[in-house]
Amino acid sequence: EPEVTQTPSHQVTQMGQEVILRCVPISNHLYFYWYRQILGQKVEFLVSFYNNEISEKSEIFDDQFSVERPDGSNFTLKIRSTKLEDSAMYFCASRPRTSPGDTQYFGPGTRLTVL
Amino acid sequence: GQSLEQPSEVTAVEGAIVQINCTYQTSGFYGLSWYQQHDGGAPTFLSYNGLDGLEETGRFSSFLSRSDSYGYLLLQELQMKDSASYFCAVRQNYGGSQGNLIFGKGTKLSVKP
Repeated sequence: EPEVTQTPSHQVTQMGQEVILRCVPISNHLYFYWYRQILGQKVEFLVSFYNNEISEKSEIFDDQFSVERPDGSNFTLKIRSTKLEDSAMYFCASRPRTSPGDTQYFGPGTRLTVL
Repeated sequence: GQSLEQPSEVTAVEGAIVQINCTYQTSGFYGLSWYQQHDGGAPTFLSYNGLDGLEETGRFSSFLSRSDSYGYLLLQELQMKDSASYFCAVRQNYGGSQGNLIFGKGTKLSVKP
């Protein structure tokens, strides 16, 4: 069964550094998302992406964040200048054009640790 | 805005039945989803209710009452592997929403032998 994949599984970085988190959504899916989950807290929406542009973004997704689909398979999240509070698990998700209840398929996540 | 309330923790024994409730406040409503997340894992879709009533998928069922802004996830014949966090979620209410999900804080289910 096709899966969303994410790399790396764990990223450690120094405050102020740039990080790029990578995702490969399921191949026939059209909608892509990034969520984050701070340890012990709920999953929070960051951004959605469709037709090669951002559809919606949350308050969390400020100017330090950007997303890109550089080719037909990868979907990336860049944080330009990481802060301590960016430490979290970042999940990529995708879904096809139609799915019951907008069912989303999540990747295994990248744990980002900012020191 | 949208908010979802669910209990933080539930404990049950193997073979038992457990119900995890979720109440929601939304400015628009499309339906209620449930996701399971094991420790260190990704959220996995379990069930969706777009209409009032009960949806059954094997040992798991989900119920929705739109008039009460309430739903629940019912897990039957509990197994140790069901120990996980369970999140209810609604779709973000934007006019052109692409299905962004708003999650509750999650209910940590512990299944004891």
